Amino acid sequence: LAKTTQPISMDSYEGQEVNITCSHNNIATNDYITWYQQFPSQGPRFIIQGYKTKVTNEVASLFIPADRKSSTLSLPRVSLSDTAVYYCLVGEGDYKLSFGAGTTVTVRA
Amino acid sequence: GAVVSQHPSRVICKSGTSVKIECRSLDFQATTMFWYRQFPKQSLMLMATSNEGSKATYEQGVEKDKFLINHASLTLSTLTVTSAHPEDSSFYICSASEGSNQPQHFGDGTRLSIL
Repeated sequence: LAKTTQPISMDSYEGQEVNITCSHNNIATNDYITWYQQFPSQGPRFIIQGYKTKVTNEVASLFIPADRKSSTLSLPRVSLSDTAVYYCLVGEGDYKLSFGAGTTVTVRA
Repeated sequence: GAVVSQHPSRVICKSGTSVKIECRSLDFQATTMFWYRQFPKQSLMLMATSNEGSKATYEQGVEKDKFLINHASLTLSTLTVTSAHPEDSSFYICSASEGSNQPQHFGDGTRLSIL
């Protein structure tokens, strides 16, 4: 399983953009990069998935450089409700995933 | 689409009781489902991979006789915690994917409390 490294925590204020970078140096050719959000006492919620370049959906953008050894999740204009733990995972969709510690994002008013 | 439902959401029971947790993929079929456990302030830890029609694959250190997994259909996997004890109290979460290039989707978890 490809190991990921991301910051333990990040603080931000409402309305700001939050960028979380994840390192995955040993990502395999078939691996996708997926980000999840988790609130306390809930299962992780899918945010975005990508393989290369840039992916954007209604809640976030994912930037992946050509070498794919890292990725950056961008959350535009965060609100208090975006306070959560964010996990970066790499792997194939129907294969087991290994969760790291995640990044605790705290958004303040 | 891609909804995973988990039931029950919370269980409180006495030590020695066996508890069954269900995980269903509501709008897709899943030949593989996964079971995780999460302790407070910690990350998810993969317990086992549930395979439809065959035996589950357990991660190192997870007792297969303690945590029985049955994947009887393409939409249902169950985890039974046998003879549960207080140290089994945790948050159990399942997940499933629609396919090899699709992300996994997670259930809302089951909070198990053994008294």
